[in-house]
Amino acid sequence: ETGVTQTPRHLVMGMTNKKSLKCEQHLGHNAMYWYKQSAKKPLELMFVYSLEERVENNSVPSRFSPECPNSSHLFLHLHTLQPEDSALYLCASSPTGLAFTGELFFGEGSRLTVL
Amino acid sequence: SQQGEEDPQALSIQEGENATMNCSYKTSINNLQWYRQNSGRGLVHLILIRSNEREKHSGRLRVTLDTSKKSSSLLITASRAADTASYFCATYSGYALNFGKGTSLLVTP
Repeated sequence: ETGVTQTPRHLVMGMTNKKSLKCEQHLGHNAMYWYKQSAKKPLELMFVYSLEERVENNSVPSRFSPECPNSSHLFLHLHTLQPEDSALYLCASSPTGLAFTGELFFGEGSRLTVL
Repeated sequence: SQQGEEDPQALSIQEGENATMNCSYKTSINNLQWYRQNSGRGLVHLILIRSNEREKHSGRLRVTLDTSKKSSSLLITASRAADTASYFCATYSGYALNFGKGTSLLVTP
């Protein structure tokens, strides 16, 4: 079982759909992250959950809604997305939270296509 | 915000050759990290070098750090076709680990 598991690996949705991406980590970590990777652009940090505190990138549109019910699970709820939201969404985890400056452990990503 | 920027954007070499990628960053750092990403997959951590270190080795990887120039380099020696991937440097800015756009490495047999 890999350390960080993301489902689904591929998702195609229309602009009016509502879907969710799921991430689960089996590493006993206390912080989880969502990154967006678009073609020709640097990875963009969207959200960080550390224990029960959430930090978000203020540039992320409200059509993306994160949920972190516990330290092992992270969701990204998607609704009324735009074609430019098509990207690879990467989940990551780390042992501790916002003061952490070590390596992140990434999942394999969820490839999202918005039609 | 983007901290690191890799150079070159793309690199093509033959098996057995060495590959060198460079990274420049903008602000002071505690450490600098390198990650690898196979096409369409997640990122895998390769190596972390602290700000008080100048050079670090891990297998066929050699990383250097020059804090006065705010730059780092990743050298892959005796490259293999399996090294074909994108390579990213990353540094922290506050709580966020920021990545550059990466160097795409192609190693041909």
